[in-house]
Amino acid sequence: DIQMTQSPSFLSASVGDRVTITCRASLNIRAFLSWYQKKPGTAPKLLLYSASALESGVPSRFSASGSGTDFTLTIDNLQPEDFATYYCQQGFIAPYTFGQGTKLETK
Amino acid sequence: EAQVVESGGGLAMPGGFLRLSCAASEFLVETAWMNWVRQAPGKGLEWVGLMKPRAHGDTIEYASAVEGRFIISRDDSKNTLYLDMYLLGIEDTGVYYCTTMNRLKFASDIWGQGTMVAVSS
Repeated sequence: DIQMTQSPSFLSASVGDRVTITCRASLNIRAFLSWYQKKPGTAPKLLLYSASALESGVPSRFSASGSGTDFTLTIDNLQPEDFATYYCQQGFIAPYTFGQGTKLETK
Repeated sequence: EAQVVESGGGLAMPGGFLRLSCAASEFLVETAWMNWVRQAPGKGLEWVGLMKPRAHGDTIEYASAVEGRFIISRDDSKNTLYLDMYLLGIEDTGVYYCTTMNRLKFASDIWGQGTMVAVSS
């Protein structure tokens, strides 16, 4: 199985900050990487797919990059609604494993 | 707008059985790549399994943690996906989400609201 490792697990930031989350795959997954936002009591929301493509309706302050084994999610100008947990997931081969999550908290 | 709605969650005894349903609207499950994803309390997201569409042979794949205990199936006449969960353990407690994996995006872009499964004696 492909292991997905996110860092950091916890991140403290303030409104207006720029934050970066990284995700590393244990094997080359090309660009088959997506990012989700999860808030308590709600379903995960797809933010970006194919490593860097922004899902329709997602604000442009969210961006991502990477290929192969190393990927990053960047959020510019953090807004209050962005404080949530973020997950990466590989879509290269089953099992379609998730990273362990990064909880973004307000400082 | 395409959507999925899960149902069937509840309380089960260890070693017991539950069937979850995922009813789809505005698209056909027989043509979609359908996933189950779960989240245990206080834990992260965990991919459970996938059923590929008819055009891909209805192939089913499972996470190792559930293989041999969980069965994914589909009723095309009801446009519904199922997750039959046998030999439930406490570790199966959590919210179960039905999703569609968009094969152009290789990502899950439609999610249900989730259904809660609690395994306890």
